[in-house]
Amino acid sequence: EIVMTQSPATLSVSPGERATLSCRASQSVSSHLAWYQQKPGQAPRLLIYGASTRATGIPARFSGSGSGTEFTLTISSLQSEDFAVYYCQQYNNWPLTFGGGTKVEIK
Amino acid sequence: QVQLQESGPGLVTPSETLSLTCTVSGSSISYYYWSWIRQPPGKGLEWIGYVYYTGSTKYNPSLKSRVTISVDTSKNQFSLKLSSVTAADTAVYFCASLFTMMDSFDSWGQGTLVTVSS
Repeated sequence: EIVMTQSPATLSVSPGERATLSCRASQSVSSHLAWYQQKPGQAPRLLIYGASTRATGIPARFSGSGSGTEFTLTISSLQSEDFAVYYCQQYNNWPLTFGGGTKVEIK
Repeated sequence: QVQLQESGPGLVTPSETLSLTCTVSGSSISYYYWSWIRQPPGKGLEWIGYVYYTGSTKYNPSLKSRVTISVDTSKNQFSLKLSSVTAADTAVYFCASLFTMMDSFDSWGQGTLVTVSS
């Protein structure tokens, strides 16, 4: 099983600032990496797939990069609605696995 | 736009079988792969397995001995059965769609909390 490790566990950021979230895979997942946003009481929402392709309707302030084992989600200028938990997920190997999440909170 | 809605009992007795159904609207169930994912309270996400409209399935090895996912094309629904449940199976259960068998999850249901308790 591929283990996905996200860091940091919590990120404190002021509105308007940039947020950089990391996701590391225990072995290469090529570009088969997705990012999700989850707000309290809601289902996760797909933000990024293929490591860097924004899903339909996702604002351009969200960007993904990386390949192999190291990936980054960047939110260029945090808006109030962006404070949430973010998960990465690999779909290169069975079973499909998620990272433990990064909580982005208001500083 | 695919819409998914989970339904089923919110409380299950230990050692019994958890049963949930996901109703798909906005798309034929023949067009995607369909998955179950769960999230224990305050914790992360765990993929349970998927089903295709043909009935083909794949499960997470950690749950494989207890899980059955099936599809009913006539009702545009798919279902989850998890046997011999314990308190560790208490979670919010989500159904979700995938465009291919190994993919990201592009549409999700709202989730349903299932508590295992006597």
